[in-house]
Amino acid sequence: NAGVTQTPKFQVLKTGQSMTLQCAQDMNHNSMYWYRQDPGMGLRLIYYSASEGTTDKGEVPNGYNVSRLNKREFSLRLESAAPSQTSVYFCASSEVPTYEQYFGPGTRLTVT
Amino acid sequence: TQLLEQSPQFLSIQEGENLTVYCNSSSVFSSLQWYRQEPGEGPVLLVTVVTGGEVKKLKRLTFQFGDARKDSSLHITAAQPGDTGLYLCAGPDRGSTLGRLYFGRGTQLTVWP
Repeated sequence: NAGVTQTPKFQVLKTGQSMTLQCAQDMNHNSMYWYRQDPGMGLRLIYYSASEGTTDKGEVPNGYNVSRLNKREFSLRLESAAPSQTSVYFCASSEVPTYEQYFGPGTRLTVT
Repeated sequence: TQLLEQSPQFLSIQEGENLTVYCNSSSVFSSLQWYRQEPGEGPVLLVTVVTGGEVKKLKRLTFQFGDARKDSSLHITAAQPGDTGLYLCAGPDRGSTLGRLYFGRGTQLTVWP
């Protein structure tokens, strides 16, 4: 039972490049989330998905797109990376209504 | 505006000391959660408090939910270096049935041997 997995663990991009962060969970949870974590800013929600086929914007969605591929997988895409997107990205899942979230190990992204 | 305010932002103590960190809001929450995040890892859920006035204990950690369900505290007795980490509180969005959580900015705790 792996919980929530994320790939890659580290990534360096040049400004303007694109990439997709992958997330998968094996807990049969309905809800999945993408957060970014910056020093002193806590966790900020980028996008979330209540169920397969649905996605909604969070606090900081600009510059990102998401796809809920199936119940297990939720990907985050940066179409044209900017230095302001340098951050640590976490994927999480939960089974409403407990709201208790289970996090992946994170992707450390640097945009130069 | 931060919905959940955590204090202090940083705490550096010696092994064996006691400490309390706080999570405060002007809003009422149906529940509050506490997570701990160790360097290089994702947050891990420690506890959920649901009832106003509730106290939960997890070994040397004591969590309390305020009577009015607007605040919570985490008390650690005889802190150990293994307690080092970022402690985050989180509460559900009352207007959402989608499992969305609001997070505080966290308290960074360092316990020195």
